[in-house]
Amino acid sequence: DAGVTQSPTHLIKTRGQQVTLRCSPKSGHDTVSWYQQALGQGPQFIFQYYEEEERQRGNFPDRFSGHQFPNYSSELNVNALLLGDSALYLCASSLDRDTGELFFGEGSRLTVL
Amino acid sequence: RKEVEQDPGPFNVPEGATVAFNCTYSNSASQSFFWYRQDCRKEPKLLMSVYSSGNEDGRFTAQLNRASQYISLLIRDSKLSDSATYLCVVNGWTGSQGNLIFGKGTKLSVKP
Repeated sequence: DAGVTQSPTHLIKTRGQQVTLRCSPKSGHDTVSWYQQALGQGPQFIFQYYEEEERQRGNFPDRFSGHQFPNYSSELNVNALLLGDSALYLCASSLDRDTGELFFGEGSRLTVL
Repeated sequence: RKEVEQDPGPFNVPEGATVAFNCTYSNSASQSFFWYRQDCRKEPKLLMSVYSSGNEDGRFTAQLNRASQYISLLIRDSKLSDSATYLCVVNGWTGSQGNLIFGKGTKLSVKP
């Protein structure tokens, strides 16, 4: 049973560029959440997708957008990259009705130069 | 006040020691509470949920005090493999588990 998978694992971009990160949830999970984790900080909630719609959003600018596909996989897009966007981007999946564990992928480490 | 605040680490302890982590949260409406563990350059993983009655899982004991908005984690008989960052986590709104509010984490280093 595959867990949460993310791609790419590492990438380097320059300021002003755009990036797309991808996530496949754990088998059977229908809800995907994205988190940003800067060095030395805890993960910060970006947004959550369920039934292909953004259901909840954290305190992130509109440069951060996402999508969920019918197979529950998801993408995170960041436009007009800033140096401060350098971080580990974590995808987490869960069952909408489940109040238990959130499963994280290993993350995509983005460096903006 | 930050939404979730934790003890600033790092905690450096010898094997066999007992160590306690504390955490406070600001939203009195929070419904769910957790401790996650994150190894260096790895993803967070659920260590245990925290219930009002307190709960224990082997060497780990978690406590919740809703009146004080305080959560704790006690690790007894520390092992080298317990070395990690421990994240205090609170659900930001009622509903699914997606919107979790994480503390900055407390780094634990267990030495031989």
